[in-house]
Parts: sequence; C-alpha cells; structure tokens
Amino acid sequence: GAGVSQTPSNKVTEKGKYVELRCDPISGHTALYWYRQSLGQGPEFLIYFQGTGAADDSGLPNDRFFAVRPEGSVSTLKIQRTERGDSAVYLCASSFNRNTEAFFGQGTRLTVV
Amino acid sequence: KQEVTQIPAALSVPEGENLVLNCSFTDSAIYNLQWFRQDPGKGLTSLLLIQSSQREQTSGRLNASLDKSSGRSTLYIAASQPGDSATYLCAGFNDYKLSFGAGTTVTVRA
Repeated sequence: GAGVSQTPSNKVTEKGKYVELRCDPISGHTALYWYRQSLGQGPEFLIYFQGTGAADDSGLPNDRFFAVRPEGSVSTLKIQRTERGDSAVYLCASSFNRNTEAFFGQGTRLTVV
Repeated sequence: KQEVTQIPAALSVPEGENLVLNCSFTDSAIYNLQWFRQDPGKGLTSLLLIQSSQREQTSGRLNASLDKSSGRSTLYIAASQPGDSATYLCAGFNDYKLSFGAGTTVTVRA
C-alpha cells in the first residue's frame, strides 16, 4: 500500500479482555514506532523497532503491553487484561530509517468499557 | 528528556491572514524536527521535515524554520484558507525517538 495501514480503525472491548492492534508499515521502511494519543494531547512514545527487534520499549506503560514485529514488516501491539485507562488512540508510524521522515497511520481508537 | 511546547494552544484567524505557529524544545541535541497536521479523528499527516543541518524548509504555502541554538521552530502558513483548519503538531527527533508537543489548533474563518 501507499501508506501506513492500521487495523481495526475502532475497537471496543470489555475491561479485562485481550486486544491486538495491527500495523502494516510502508514497504521498505525498517523503522516502526507505536505511539499513544489521549484527547487533547500529543502522541506519546511506546516502542520503537529497527527491523525485527524492539530497540526501545521504554514507553510501554506496564507488562500488560507487548509488541512484536516478527518478520520486520507488520507489527502487532498486544494488550492483556485491558483497563479503562488504556482507552486512547494508538498510532503506528514507519520511516525508511531512524531519524528520517516518519509517516503515520490513521490510528486505532481503543475504547475499554 | 526532550520537552516540546507549542504556544498558543489555539488560534483563530480570518481567511487570507498568514499563520505563525511556534514550537520550542529543551534539548538542542536534536537530529531533525518534523511538523504534522492532524484533522479531527484522523492520524497525523507529515508536512515538513527539517534536518538538523538545515535552517529552513519550504513546501508550497508552508515554510518552517529551525534554530537549534535557541530551541525553536516556527511554521509559517501563507494566505490561510478554511481548509487549513486543523491541529498542527511539531515533533523533535532525538536519536530515533519523536517527542511531540500538544499541538496548536487552528481555525480559519471564511
């Protein structure tokens, strides 16, 4: 595809459930990022992948959050035992390499009820 | 840790007026700075990337400057149009990590 694709665009889940959010980056981009945005705020860093490995996961809020990128392309953000405080828009971005122009997807709006 | 501030938080101007959006950052060891546009309920659209070696970058009606020594970047939008109404975010790259401001929400009145 031409841009970063995120699925689903919206996800409503019950408290305590497990969710997976998918990101399909621009082809050939080695760097992939996950961010989280709450209403009225700028996106906050969650995790950065360079290739298949998570080079920096320091932004993940706790061990309920995990992300993978097994083949260096598609990435999945996984959230276990969801809490209402996890409700936010989860944004994925990719770039050709680190520090080059970042391109964002449309985001997944997660609502935990 | 890089802190990015955008002032004002909101701005309303009549159509045709030039827009000036400010961004300040605390860590001058910045690699690049990127400006984004965000429409309500949408993702971020990249507008301009200014590399650390550049002082300015232009794209159409948009012009962005970067002054690393003072920790400031400014986005100028010439001859604003109602379609420019959106939230504008700046973000600094420190190594691989983008640090965002909270954005300036712009309304251009027809």
